[in-house]
Amino acid sequence: GAVVSQHPSWVICKSGTSVKIECRSLDFQATTMFWYRQFPKQSLMLMATSNEGSKATYEQGVEKDKFLINHASLTLSTLTVTSAHPEDSSFYICSASPYYNEQFFGPGTRLTVL
Amino acid sequence: KQEVTQIPAALSVPEGENLVLNCSFTDSAIYNLQWFRQDPGKGLTSLLLIQSSQREQTSGRLNASLDKSSGRSTLYIAASQPGDSATYLCAVRPGASGGSNYKLTFGKGTLLTVNP
Repeated sequence: GAVVSQHPSWVICKSGTSVKIECRSLDFQATTMFWYRQFPKQSLMLMATSNEGSKATYEQGVEKDKFLINHASLTLSTLTVTSAHPEDSSFYICSASPYYNEQFFGPGTRLTVL
Repeated sequence: KQEVTQIPAALSVPEGENLVLNCSFTDSAIYNLQWFRQDPGKGLTSLLLIQSSQREQTSGRLNASLDKSSGRSTLYIAASQPGDSATYLCAVRPGASGGSNYKLTFGKGTLLTVNP
């Protein structure tokens, strides 16, 4: 149980385009979903927290107009990187949490912006 | 602001050796501490979760201890195998963080290489 999927697992896009990443909790309902970013040899940095049906809460320094988060249902959250640039290239990981429990992490999405 | 430090940053050992990974945190008011494994280019796999009231947790060849008052945790791996090679991350959950809306603070990880 407690499986979280992400799609796509990797994506390459041209600078200026937008990319959408999906995060799904497959066998539980996630009250809260989290989006993290990880640079090479660095730890995970929380970007934003989203609750179903509410606006996401962004961490300091994260541009909410650049990283659009939608948590439309209890099993799906999406992260859209708008007008992506090479500096947005990174490994994006989501996690999902039922009301009372720990976070369960997805397998990550590698984004490369050319 | 909670800070989590992991030492060493990298560790290389021969197969069969027992080893200890260290994690320290600055704010002892934690709800729990969790150890994860991350393989290259992959997501996180939870290994052990220790509640703030617990001293240790064991799973197979892994044993994690927690000394909340001193802000330290260790992950002990017995009889290491090449398949244990990965990055090991620890993360703390802040105290009094009921429900699901809380923020984990991660260390930078220890890159473990077990040589055959």
